[in-house]
Amino acid sequence: EAAVTQSPRNKVAVTGGKVTLSCNQTNNHNNMYWYRQDTGHGLRLIHYSYGAGSTEKGDIPDGYKASRPSQENFSLILELATPSQTSVYFCASGLGGREQYFGPGTRLTVL
Amino acid sequence: GDQVEQSPSALSLHEGTGSALRCNFTTTMRAVQWFQQNSRGSLINLFYLASGTKENGRLKSTFNSKESYSTLHIRDAQLEDSGTYFCAAEANTGANTGKLTFGHGTILRVHP
Repeated sequence: EAAVTQSPRNKVAVTGGKVTLSCNQTNNHNNMYWYRQDTGHGLRLIHYSYGAGSTEKGDIPDGYKASRPSQENFSLILELATPSQTSVYFCASGLGGREQYFGPGTRLTVL
Repeated sequence: GDQVEQSPSALSLHEGTGSALRCNFTTTMRAVQWFQQNSRGSLINLFYLASGTKENGRLKSTFNSKESYSTLHIRDAQLEDSGTYFCAAEANTGANTGKLTFGHGTILRVHP
């Protein structure tokens, strides 16, 4: 089974600060994804990647950047964090058109 | 509007009983996944279906792409089945992106 880990698990940031959320997967999946989960919205896709060096915009990319430096690692970057970005963030990996496996989530609070 | 409409939004079951959760899709979907989100917030994979029916223990899921729906049946519910259940589907756009669109979830409470 795919192993997806996220760090940090909890983060408190200040408005206007930079936040980087990290994700690592060990099953050599090509695709990786970042979602956020808010009450009443389920999970929504922010950015995704097809492999090292590639990033694509998801459904709600505004205010976020992504970086995929290697097959294993995928980061989500908030250059100027805002309180509206307070959420739980999930990373996932998978092969295109196959099952996705999710990490444990990162709870981000922006004050 | 939402591409994935999940119902019911909340469900209460006595131990030992069963019920069905449903997702309707407003666009053609290639595949569907079902997850349970437990009390710690972790998303547990239940099923991945590109078509047909799969069964695992007390759970059974069906995906009908042509009629644009998927169901998750729970029988003999146990206390540990409590949690939030999500369906998530991949649109059939021709590109194999794996992008999932989630339903809003069903909060299931199983009580003695």
